[in-house]
Amino acid sequence: GAVVSQHPSWVICKSGTSVKIECRSLDFQATTMFWYRQFPKQSLMLMATSNEGSKATYEQGVEKDKFLINHASLTLSTLTVTSAHPEDSSFYICSGGQGSTDTQYFGPGTRLTVL
Amino acid sequence: DAKTTQPPSMDCAEGRAANLPCNHSTISGNEYVYWYRQIHSQGPQYIIHGLKNNETNEMASLIITEDRKSSTLILPHATLRDTAVYYCIAINQAGTALIFGKGTTLSVSS
Repeated sequence: GAVVSQHPSWVICKSGTSVKIECRSLDFQATTMFWYRQFPKQSLMLMATSNEGSKATYEQGVEKDKFLINHASLTLSTLTVTSAHPEDSSFYICSGGQGSTDTQYFGPGTRLTVL
Repeated sequence: DAKTTQPPSMDCAEGRAANLPCNHSTISGNEYVYWYRQIHSQGPQYIIHGLKNNETNEMASLIITEDRKSSTLILPHATLRDTAVYYCIAINQAGTALIFGKGTTLSVSS
């Protein structure tokens, strides 16, 4: 299957700082990628859809000015958590699909801890 | 996309077959059934998907009933490494976002 990477795998930051998470499709091009977050003992929740060359679309309740998404190329989407607070601490996961099959493949996730 | 229903948890002995059921009684004709699993603290892993016919790959088999209202994921020889949360998802268009339910927590023990 297709490979998706994320960087960093974990990050600890102070409250009020911004954190950037990268999501890369290593062996395919993805015009669309998706960002999810997962709180402890809960399922994945879709945050936003990242579209190459255009603005991301956000799910209801997700602040677009707080979670900045950039999809500047067919292999890279970034999620920036701005002015992070402890309640933003979560497991962030991206996914992308390839070609005509469009099966979604997921990255390994990024664990964000905001102190 | 059709709603899916899965049992919250299942147990399986190592080496035995694990049969994970999924109900999707409102599935429409063009909706695929996808299975993913998530091992603790990792991103979800694609397992298999199907539309009407049964499917098999190196990881598992997917059995879809003739009326397509339910399906079963079969891990033929479960190992301890198969302990994970398994998600059954019905989607009507490839490439769309996946909406995750609570899934089935499979515990494989020796």
